[in-house]
Amino acid sequence: ETGVTQTPRHLVMGMTNKKSLKCEQHLGHNAMYWYKQSAKKPLELMFVYNFKEQTENNSVPSRFSPECPNSSHLFLHLHTLQPEDSALYLCASSQDAGGGPETQYFGPGTRLLVL
Amino acid sequence: DAKTTQPTSMDCAEGRAANLPCNHSTISGNEYVYWYRQIHSQGPQYIIHGLKNNETNEMASLIITEDRKSSTLILPHATLRDTAVYYCIVGSGSRLTFGEGTQLTVNP
Repeated sequence: ETGVTQTPRHLVMGMTNKKSLKCEQHLGHNAMYWYKQSAKKPLELMFVYNFKEQTENNSVPSRFSPECPNSSHLFLHLHTLQPEDSALYLCASSQDAGGGPETQYFGPGTRLLVL
Repeated sequence: DAKTTQPTSMDCAEGRAANLPCNHSTISGNEYVYWYRQIHSQGPQYIIHGLKNNETNEMASLIITEDRKSSTLILPHATLRDTAVYYCIVGSGSRLTFGEGTQLTVNP
């Protein structure tokens, strides 16, 4: 148990559906992250939020829309996804996203299958 | 961020020390060395990090060469539960670039 929870743990959706992934951290951190891990590929950083402000978007398609209403919660809104978006989506948090050394704590991930 | 090179896979006998190497010859002066591991289909878990001195915690030891171009993660007494992919990452904590890592298999 890392103090970072993600729901749902598994999700199957059609290409025309709209769904949301939720991440919550109970560690009092100020930075939150979304990563994508496709099969047999390394983790890819998608978005970074620091003190509720988005500080990084790694050229992620607009069909992925993040939302950070407060420092404890992070959402990833999904719409009109493609089958190649099927992956494990991981949320992480850290004290803040400054330049110093930071330890990131990861949630268990949401396994997404797009049909 | 500096790139790292790790062996694709390693085996270790249960109870023995596991020594996982990492090369990071392009590391810059202010970049840290981080180690994370990922047990199958779970989120990555932080293990340890260091700048230039050797570090030890309850999970592992990190040995960094004097020129900082390589490092070794040591699990002193590997157990079956240590079977995982181990990632060596160089950079700042907020910007982790994961590579392929080393698949460590601990055998009974």
